Amino acid sequence: EEQLVESGGGLVQPGGSLRLSCAASGFPFSMYWMSWVRQDPGRGLEWVANMNPDGSQKSYMDSVKGRFTISRDNAKNSMYLQMDSLRVEDTAVYYCAESQGSPWGQGTLVTVSS
Amino acid sequence: DVVMTQSPLSLPVTLGQPASISCRSSQSLAYSGGNLYFNWFQQRPGQSPRRLIYKVSNRESGVPDRFSGSGSGTDFTLKISRVEAEDVGVYYCMQGTHWPWTFGQGTKVEIK
Repeated sequence: EEQLVESGGGLVQPGGSLRLSCAASGFPFSMYWMSWVRQDPGRGLEWVANMNPDGSQKSYMDSVKGRFTISRDNAKNSMYLQMDSLRVEDTAVYYCAESQGSPWGQGTLVTVSS
Repeated sequence: DVVMTQSPLSLPVTLGQPASISCRSSQSLAYSGGNLYFNWFQQRPGQSPRRLIYKVSNRESGVPDRFSGSGSGTDFTLKISRVEAEDVGVYYCMQGTHWPWTFGQGTKVEIK
């Protein structure tokens, strides 16, 4: 069974940092483009970052460029999202997903608040 | 960014009756090579989104055949031939042709 499991979310103050992890199983992770997607009740679903199979190509939505970094370790079937200079508006559930939307993880909540 | 506009945003349906959701993109989603990266997702209450339809009209494995997708260019439709209780949730369209990929606002399907 294809599975993605996120971890690393939590409460952080504005300006702080968090690192999200995504563990993949049940499919050839190293062959797939992978992404981070976030969901907030106010802004809906937003595609945050995207990365090719070997990690050499990365794309980010404008509001996180220069603050977030997507990376992967194919030997560990894992993907990461380093989030720096966090803002209140980054508060959301963060999902990892294959880059065209299947599979998805269960999500991890990031709350940025003082 | 490509704007995806869904209608209606709320869809009360009688069990066993058909339902239809439309999605329009602000620019063509056709991609060189003929692929058109347009997908439909279902999000049941308390769950993650789940892809139902990919590349306009292809059902995911395990998705009931009462779900069908169609469309081209900028106009797309998701149809449910006979709504069942398990179909309650929010449905999103999504384009994966132009970065950043973008979603529609969501259509909430509920039983009358």
